[in-house]
Amino acid sequence: GQQVMQIPQYQHVQEGEDFTTYCNSSTTLSNIQWYKQRPGGHPVFLIQLVKSGEVKKQKRLTFQFGEAKKNSSLHITATQTTDVGTYFCAGRAINTDKLIFGTGTRLQVFP
Amino acid sequence: DGGITQSPKYLFRKEGQNVTLSCEQNLNHDAMYWYRQDPGQGLRLIYYSQIVNDFQKGDIAEGYSVSREKKESFPLTVTSAQKNPTAFYLCASSLFSTGITEAFFGQGTRLTVV
Repeated sequence: GQQVMQIPQYQHVQEGEDFTTYCNSSTTLSNIQWYKQRPGGHPVFLIQLVKSGEVKKQKRLTFQFGEAKKNSSLHITATQTTDVGTYFCAGRAINTDKLIFGTGTRLQVFP
Repeated sequence: DGGITQSPKYLFRKEGQNVTLSCEQNLNHDAMYWYRQDPGQGLRLIYYSQIVNDFQKGDIAEGYSVSREKKESFPLTVTSAQKNPTAFYLCASSLFSTGITEAFFGQGTRLTVV
């Protein structure tokens, strides 16, 4: 079945450093979404990418969808303590209605 | 306020008992989902539903059952057949089950079976 893996599993950074998480799907995706889950909370939608090679920015966050629509990345520039949490990618394979989440990357930012 | 509500927030049950987790949404969303999250792990899909009176198994449906008798409600029953039921359960909904639609999550129910 469809699998979505993320690396790294954990990342500890000093405040001000950059952070990147990578998402890889075993199947081609119709779109990719990114969510953030704060400790003790629930996932909250950040963004969706649809087109092959698409790049979107939200302030310090840059999201990219691969040309083959099987991978994606989230890059945070100059991390802040408010960026702490677990970042999930989620996608739907073509011709399926399942929304499958990645394994997540847990980000810890030290002041 | 529009949103998705899960209750209760914490639930304790004895081993061998069935338990039902509630999920209600007033967003008029067609699609609803149940995920399970274990400590330090991602979200695994249990069941999902695109329309009333229809639902499909996700990746870990064994030991769980659902119903979708009303658009706004998608309760999940954790049966005694589920071998490791202790987990954080998240319900979500989206406007449609395909296309450009984000999923909105409830606050989650933390189930502990002793």
